[in-house]
Amino acid sequence: DQQVKQNSPSLSVQEGRISILNCDYTNSMFDYFLWYKKYPAEGPTFLISISSIKDKNEDGRFTVFLNKSAKHLSLHIVPSQPGDSAVYFCAGRDNFNKFYFGSGTKLNVKP
Amino acid sequence: GAVVSQHPSRVICKSGTSVKIECRSLDFQATTMFWYRQFPKKSLMLMATSNEGSKATYEQGVEKDKFLINHASLTLSTLTVTSAHPEDSSFYICSASGQRTYEQYFGPGTRLTVT
Repeated sequence: DQQVKQNSPSLSVQEGRISILNCDYTNSMFDYFLWYKKYPAEGPTFLISISSIKDKNEDGRFTVFLNKSAKHLSLHIVPSQPGDSAVYFCAGRDNFNKFYFGSGTKLNVKP
Repeated sequence: GAVVSQHPSRVICKSGTSVKIECRSLDFQATTMFWYRQFPKKSLMLMATSNEGSKATYEQGVEKDKFLINHASLTLSTLTVTSAHPEDSSFYICSASGQRTYEQYFGPGTRLTVT
């Protein structure tokens, strides 16, 4: 049973516009949510996180929103840049420090 | 962010041989290290979690006798794929967490090909 789901396998956005990546989860016990960026043949790179007690966290062009009632989080990238093209994974952390990853969304930012 | 290295980055081995992959945290003490496997176009699958000085905790369906994990120090964990088979070919990634345990820092991954 997949506890974290990313239902959009891919997303294409024009440079300068907003990219919105979505993630849904089922485990209400997650205490942190994280977004990772991954290039082919490389390990994931931590991007941004949010505590379950918050509903928004912003870091430069990246903002993560958390809607606990809907068990939904999203990553907003604005403005999108071609260098943002990668696979983005969201993850939830349970109180055993175990991470559950979604299947990823491949973002393509077109110049 | 913290730096985690993996060695080797690529390895090709013959069926029946064993392969060791090293994961090192270079600038922090990793109290917990994780080993993942990624299949093509799939998510990261957690294989096992290891805490320094204790036995690894394996996820359901992962054979502990086939995937030997050792976390001998706060900066080094090793994954040994024993008696490798072609179906073990995959991308193996380690990650480490330290005091700021809500983050995991990932290594660059190891591409294993078993012929």
